[in-house]
Amino acid sequence: DAGVIQSPRHEVTEMGQEVTLRCKPISGHDYLFWYRQTMMRGLELLIYFNNNVPIDDSGMPEDRFSAKMPNASFSTLKIQPSEPRDSAVYFCASSGTGGYGYTFGSGTRLTVV
Amino acid sequence: AQSVTQLGSHVSVSEGALVLLRCNYSSSVPPYLFWYVQYPNQGLQLLLKYTSAATLVKGINGFEAEFKKSETSFHLTKPSAHMSDAAEYFCAVTLSGGYQKVTFGTGTKLQVIP
Repeated sequence: DAGVIQSPRHEVTEMGQEVTLRCKPISGHDYLFWYRQTMMRGLELLIYFNNNVPIDDSGMPEDRFSAKMPNASFSTLKIQPSEPRDSAVYFCASSGTGGYGYTFGSGTRLTVV
Repeated sequence: AQSVTQLGSHVSVSEGALVLLRCNYSSSVPPYLFWYVQYPNQGLQLLLKYTSAATLVKGINGFEAEFKKSETSFHLTKPSAHMSDAAEYFCAVTLSGGYQKVTFGTGTKLQVIP
């Protein structure tokens, strides 16, 4: 199993541009989570899906952020328009039934200049 | 609501010495507890988890943790530190009984001195 796959690993973009982060969860996992990690705020849960359905998006910072999961093997996190304060490492994680014991991807380091 | 407190944002140990990373939890119902490790420029990796079975939990890389209800603690230990253990360690808690939101601690960076 290749694990949770995220792309790109690094993204540098200019303020105001649209950014799309991608995630492929582990096959058979029915929970998918998007986290953001910064020095100031640590790990923040942005949104999670169960069986491709968004369950809790209360952590999404504002309307500029959106996430989709069109099928069991793919999810996207989109920021439009991006701002410098969105600079962070964004992690995708997946888990089996019950949502315990996540497997994290390697993350996308986003820099907005 | 549940929470975890990790005591010490930075811990330094000598190679071969005991590693002890502290985690205390707060939970209104029996919790599930986890330790994750994050190496530089990588995602978090599950080290071990407590899900109400044995109170002493063994994980990967020689780490173990003991659930102590009376002390509301779940400290992570390893008898002998290796240089490769240098990383950041996160304690996490959730409630038992179907998926509940996982709350992560603020992390402890472990430095291993040769």
